[in-house]
Amino acid sequence: GQSLEQPSEVTAVEGAIVQINCTYQTSGFYGLSWYQQHDGGAPTFLSYNALDGLEETGRFSSFLSRSDSYGYLLLQELQMKDSASYFCAVRSSGNTPLVFGKGTRLSVIA
Amino acid sequence: DTEVTQTPKHLVMGMTNKKSLKCEQHMGHRAMYWYKQKAKKPPELMFVYSYEKLSINESVPSRFSPECPNSSLLNLHLHALQPEDSALYLCASSQEGFSGNTIYFGEGSWLTVV
Repeated sequence: GQSLEQPSEVTAVEGAIVQINCTYQTSGFYGLSWYQQHDGGAPTFLSYNALDGLEETGRFSSFLSRSDSYGYLLLQELQMKDSASYFCAVRSSGNTPLVFGKGTRLSVIA
Repeated sequence: DTEVTQTPKHLVMGMTNKKSLKCEQHMGHRAMYWYKQKAKKPPELMFVYSYEKLSINESVPSRFSPECPNSSLLNLHLHALQPEDSALYLCASSQEGFSGNTIYFGEGSWLTVV
């Protein structure tokens, strides 16, 4: 089976930096992905890490440590529009679909 | 064009009704998915079609019946649903079968069963 753990809620101030952690347990590992979902909207793809290290895409970065079964999403220069739910997701093999974590609700406050 | 289109956006149906949710993508993706999402919960996988064949059925009750008429279309037929089936139903697609790590979601169909 697979399980993912991420904090249920995080609150941060506009302009600050926030890190959302994700730990996972899978029988195999085929990459860690992150998705963002605004209230009433669809999940949208943010990033994917297959190898250890940091991937940067604008204000968002994602990190993976396969030896620690751990990853995080880093959001910099927070904006109010970043208030959303963030899901980490893993695949255990090339022939299995993504499994999503329970999601982290990020609230950005002024 | 990275778009998955779902209709209807909202649906209210009685427990004896038969209705269908429709999904369309024109990105040439080879895998299409149905997810169910309850409030404040992650998307739960229901079905996966890969190359127009049903590849995964996550033990979904038979009152939900998927159909993939062609590589661009995916339907979810609904019959004799229960109030607890009320949820957001998300269609999604990915490029390389379900080995793709980038899944594109539609905006969803909000279903209320009364």
